Amino acid sequence: ETGVTQSPTHLIKTRGQQVTLRCSSQSGHNTVSWYQQALGQGPQFIFQYYREEENGRGNFPPRFSGLQFPNYSSELNVNALELDDSALYLCASGPDKFNTEAFFGQGTRLTVV
Amino acid sequence: AQSVTQLDSQVPVFEEAPVELRCNYSSSVSVYLFWYVQYPNQGLQLLLKYLSGSTLVESINGFEAEFNKSQTSFHLRKPSVHISDTAEYFCAARDFGNEKLTFGTGTRLTIIP
Repeated sequence: ETGVTQSPTHLIKTRGQQVTLRCSSQSGHNTVSWYQQALGQGPQFIFQYYREEENGRGNFPPRFSGLQFPNYSSELNVNALELDDSALYLCASGPDKFNTEAFFGQGTRLTVV
Repeated sequence: AQSVTQLDSQVPVFEEAPVELRCNYSSSVSVYLFWYVQYPNQGLQLLLKYLSGSTLVESINGFEAEFNKSQTSFHLRKPSVHISDTAEYFCAARDFGNEKLTFGTGTRLTIIP
């Protein structure tokens, strides 16, 4: 039990649609990171937020965006969905700015058809 | 870290036999190193980590890993595996002062009864 909860657990969307994935962290976890894990691959870093501001981004296009809220919840938004966006999306939170010891949620499985 | 390499995509091992899962990293600066375990349809769980100090780190369920700076390796070992160890194992690295966690492609450990 990591204290990090993601919703929904599974989601099916159509190509071109928009999706919002949610993550709820423990109190005091000021940092949240989002990762994309394609089938058979390791997680890839999308971006990270610290105290509601983005403080790091991986090699993902601008249609991937996020928000972090004061209540330790966060969102990952993906616009104009493509088939290759089908993956497990993981959020990870922690108390320090660099998310050194991150706690992962169970993930949201997104399928784009 | 520029990259993390897990050379073995699958490792079958008989129950109660020893196992080693290999991990090598490349980085131009000092790094933090992690091993995560992922059970089917679940998120990542931190197995053990090297942040500083002793180069040999241990987990509560019998796994250990040794940081070898000269060989840029962080191999995971267990002297006697159990059926319950069947899972996907991911090695990850983070540069000092950097928010991005870089993962390897994972090693699927299968325990044969």
